[in-house]
Amino acid sequence: NAGVTQTPKFQVLKTGQSMTLQCAQDMNHNSMYWYRQDPGMGLRLIYYSASEGTTDKGEVPNGYNVSRLNKREFSLRLESAAPSQTSVYFCALSVNTGELFFGEGSRLTVL
Amino acid sequence: RKEVEQDPGPFNVPEGATVAFNCTYSNSASQSFFWYRQDCRKEPKLLMSVYSSGNEDGRFTAQLNRASQYISLLIRDSKLSDSATYLCVVTRSGGQNFVFGPGTRLSVLP
Repeated sequence: NAGVTQTPKFQVLKTGQSMTLQCAQDMNHNSMYWYRQDPGMGLRLIYYSASEGTTDKGEVPNGYNVSRLNKREFSLRLESAAPSQTSVYFCALSVNTGELFFGEGSRLTVL
Repeated sequence: RKEVEQDPGPFNVPEGATVAFNCTYSNSASQSFFWYRQDCRKEPKLLMSVYSSGNEDGRFTAQLNRASQYISLLIRDSKLSDSATYLCVVTRSGGQNFVFGPGTRLSVLP
């Protein structure tokens, strides 16, 4: 998916393990987002970053931390994974007013 | 109550049929409105923006009723390739806070 690259695409963790989901863009846009998608729930915003060095909590930030050290990268960290964090995670950036451009997603299973 | 609600479906329609999806939103301060399409196990992609005057893109027509806080998407002459989940999206103040509905699943049958 040109423009937004997420890694890893799949991950299985045990409860209590930590991991970081990476997101990198080459589209030179400021606003970046992390969403999670669960059946019947739609996409829910975890964290948002308006620009390098700034981050804001979204609807479901508990259990997650983020880092936006530069314009290009926005990472999502799970310090102590829980089964409730089993989900599909999408990184996105806002390319115009109203259009979100998504990465291909990262499927996380926590056992 | 969810901020953005949609009929989850699934809608199973034959090829060539016309199908309409509805979406309601609860925040009267919502500013912008969109329909996204999501194929199975893929990322969402913008289908079209929704304007107050209504807008059309080929076989797709979107309508917005701000007074009733209601958005619709009409698909004419359905194709097999239209099979997907359609997500209704609104933005809150500032235009950067996107709120997604749970999606409506469409299956177009041969």
